[in-house]
Amino acid sequence: KAGVTQTPRYLIKTRGQQVTLSCSPISGHRSVSWYQQTPGQGLQFLFEYFSETQRNKGNFPGRFSGRQFSNSRSEMNVSTLELGDSALYLCASSPTAGRKQYFGPGTRLTVT
Amino acid sequence: AQTVTQSQPEMSVQEAETVTLSCTYDTSESDYYLFWYKQPPSRQMILVIRQEAYKQQNATENRFSVNFQKAAKSFSLKISDSQLGDAAMYFCAYRSTTSGNTPLVFGKGTRLSVIA
Repeated sequence: KAGVTQTPRYLIKTRGQQVTLSCSPISGHRSVSWYQQTPGQGLQFLFEYFSETQRNKGNFPGRFSGRQFSNSRSEMNVSTLELGDSALYLCASSPTAGRKQYFGPGTRLTVT
Repeated sequence: AQTVTQSQPEMSVQEAETVTLSCTYDTSESDYYLFWYKQPPSRQMILVIRQEAYKQQNATENRFSVNFQKAAKSFSLKISDSQLGDAAMYFCAYRSTTSGNTPLVFGKGTRLSVIA
């Protein structure tokens, strides 16, 4: 089985722009979670989707949003980018909500 | 809210030796999962080992084992016969099982270097 894939792997954006990141889970997995990783804050939970519904949301501003499609692929969107949004964004999938999570390679976002 | 603390930002070990990474957590819940994840320089996060809180027996996966002390809220990872490929960031993580589906809560990580 193919693992979790994330696109793009690297991205450079300017302050004020918006960005969309994509995550394709392992085939058959219906739960997708997103995490932000920075040197200062470490790994922080953004949100989780299961069967196209947001099940859980972390403590991030409304500029961060996401969605999940019927094929379980997920996207996250960050609007009005700030310098502090520069981070590695990790996606993880699991067969059902609450089961063992498998991580993708991440998308490295740099905001200038 | 649950918190996870890894008090060792960096550790090093000689190849073939044994090293122990520390992790403590704070929770008022009785049922939960604990994990150790490895993140090599390539950045792909890999699950190393998982422990269910209701199991008294310590989990083991080949050269990796844990020392789970529930009363002390301690969950350390022991790596035996260390190999160069073990060099990575190691994250301890907690997940509740009593509040429905909850996300992973991670510690800040320990960077492990393996010296040849």
